[in-house]
Amino acid sequence: EVQLVQSGAEVKKPGESLKISCKGSGYSFTSYWIGWVRQMPGKGLEWMGIIYPGDSDTRYSPSFQGQVTISADKSISTAYLQWSSLKASDTAMYYCVRRRDGYNYGDYWGQGTLVTVSS
Amino acid sequence: DIQMTQSPSSLSASVGDRVTITCRASQSISSYLNWYQQKPGKAPKLLIYAASSLQSGVPSRFSGSGSGTDFTLTISSLQPEDFATYYCQQSYSTFSTFGPGTKVDIK
Repeated sequence: EVQLVQSGAEVKKPGESLKISCKGSGYSFTSYWIGWVRQMPGKGLEWMGIIYPGDSDTRYSPSFQGQVTISADKSISTAYLQWSSLKASDTAMYYCVRRRDGYNYGDYWGQGTLVTVSS
Repeated sequence: DIQMTQSPSSLSASVGDRVTITCRASQSISSYLNWYQQKPGKAPKLLIYAASSLQSGVPSRFSGSGSGTDFTLTISSLQPEDFATYYCQQSYSTFSTFGPGTKVDIK
């Protein structure tokens, strides 16, 4: 069974750093792109970027370039989303999603990680 | 960026109603259009990919159509479990984008 299991909710202060994770199982982790999606409170879905764990090829949506870092450790089938200095506006739910090649749709989603940034 | 719009932004419907949601892309995306359903507090769920292909396990009352810039998601007979928010997504561009969502609630 394909699963993406994300790390737990985080409460951080502005300026702090954070790294959240997404562990894949039930499939060949290095053979599928993993994307990250942001959902701010009460808002819609925003595509942040994507990584191919096989070779760590990473692409960022323009709005998120320079704001976050996406990485992966294929030895433990885990992708990461990282911030070096959080802002209150980073408060959101973050989802990882496995992307199928061809028509590039997201077929499996993690359960989400809620990040709250507040002083 | 390719911009996605959806209409309506919300609708009220009754169980058994036929529901149609429209999605439009700012440029041609061929059939690189996917539909997701999201219920409160849950991750999105893939319903339709490549504009008209039904994801495995999704009820056949859901269908998708369209190509180029105009797309439609249809629910043939609305069921109680279908009350949710629906998002379209273009996956044509390297930078995927979602529509703003359509909330379907109970009349």
